Amino acid sequence: DTGVSQNPRHKITKRGQNVTFRCDPISEHNRLYWYRQTLGQGPEFLTYFQNEAQLEKSRLLSDRFSAERPKGSFSTLEIQRTEQGDSAMYLCASRDARSSYNEQFFGPGTRLTVL
Amino acid sequence: AQKVTQAQTEISVVEKEDVTLDCVYETRDTTYYLFWYKQPPSGELVFLIRRNSFDEQNEISGRYSWNFQKSTSSFNFTITASQVVDSAVYFCALSEAGNYGQNFVFGPGTRLSVLP
Repeated sequence: DTGVSQNPRHKITKRGQNVTFRCDPISEHNRLYWYRQTLGQGPEFLTYFQNEAQLEKSRLLSDRFSAERPKGSFSTLEIQRTEQGDSAMYLCASRDARSSYNEQFFGPGTRLTVL
Repeated sequence: AQKVTQAQTEISVVEKEDVTLDCVYETRDTTYYLFWYKQPPSGELVFLIRRNSFDEQNEISGRYSWNFQKSTSSFNFTITASQVVDSAVYFCALSEAGNYGQNFVFGPGTRLSVLP
């Protein structure tokens, strides 16, 4: 399967714990995006990478959130000191910025539940 | 500021009926891109169609067609002869060319239920 993959698919944690999610994009895609989707809403942009460089972060990305893409391949999203408001689906997407077809390809998401 | 509105929260149709999903967008860019994605119960967003702001030609692709009208800032999506497998949440999304990252702004989604 050559699509975007995310792990884990589900994560249940207690408030105050740290969690880390992983995203493996489509291999030739140099752009990688993270979105957050709460119940009944559309996805909201969090941050994106071009290769290993994190080029933009939305105001939704508080200082408890950090994302990395160390070698321009997979990416991790870490949430420190989780809060119940962090409960959401975290979606990763990728695309090839060199392509004129700028649709993004999404992974299955990681559903986070903070108790 | 960019914004996408999908006024229909939920739609129910009987199989084989045609259904149109509405999308209205706001942007100050003259060049932008519009998309429709489908999110089945499994959760993965599936790309359906894309349109560029400089091409208002409406097209049909299989059972899908779309009506893009810049004058009313609308990008409506029609499924012809709906099937039960079309049941999902459908999202309209906007990406501005002036935004270097071209991240998407999504609407709140329309939940479509196709009944047998």
